[in-house]
Amino acid sequence: RKEVEQDPGPFNVPEGATVAFNCTYSNSASQSFFWYRQDCRKEPKLLMSVYSSGNEDGRFTAQLNRASQYISLLIRDSKLSDSATYLCVVDNNAGNMLTFGGGTRLMVKP
Amino acid sequence: GAVVSQHPSRVICKSGTSVKIECRSLDFQATTMFWYRQFPKQSLMLMATSNEGSKATYEQGVEKDKFLINHASLTLSTLTVTSAHPEDSSFYICSALTGTNYGYTFGSGTRLTVV
Repeated sequence: RKEVEQDPGPFNVPEGATVAFNCTYSNSASQSFFWYRQDCRKEPKLLMSVYSSGNEDGRFTAQLNRASQYISLLIRDSKLSDSATYLCVVDNNAGNMLTFGGGTRLMVKP
Repeated sequence: GAVVSQHPSRVICKSGTSVKIECRSLDFQATTMFWYRQFPKQSLMLMATSNEGSKATYEQGVEKDKFLINHASLTLSTLTVTSAHPEDSSFYICSALTGTNYGYTFGSGTRLTVV
């Protein structure tokens, strides 16, 4: 079983749609969680950290469920520019090791 | 914000030659640098962790004699792919802990093609 698992997609959605991604992690001692966005042939960029209480940044909402060991990302009112691969990232060692999920590819169509 | 400058962005080399990739932290001191490799349609895989002034820690399956990492200063870490082969063709990305708000910042990546 992979440490961090994501549905690879692709998720094909129309503009304006709401889309949600889930990610599961296997290490119950994981401490920090992030969503990164990676455009084709580019480096990953931090989208948002995921807090236990859940957090929202504009159209993006991230939630953490420690009991079930999954995190989610919700994107509302999808834009064409949201098309990218979204990487679920888990920090298992207080800043010393990031583990990346395989990524979920999102394609937003006109 | 914290910036990591990675060079070169793209390199094509002949099989058997060595290639050096540099990552510089421009406005902060990077005590720890992480090196990742990403094959097409796959996620980033950590290759090694380097700490300034000490030997790098390599992940299982990564040959330390093939992927030489030097982190001689707080602003510069280098990865040298020695005796490169076509199977080493990949996207190599460095990342550093910025030390602020517990953040990581990534270099822009190096696309290596070995022919």
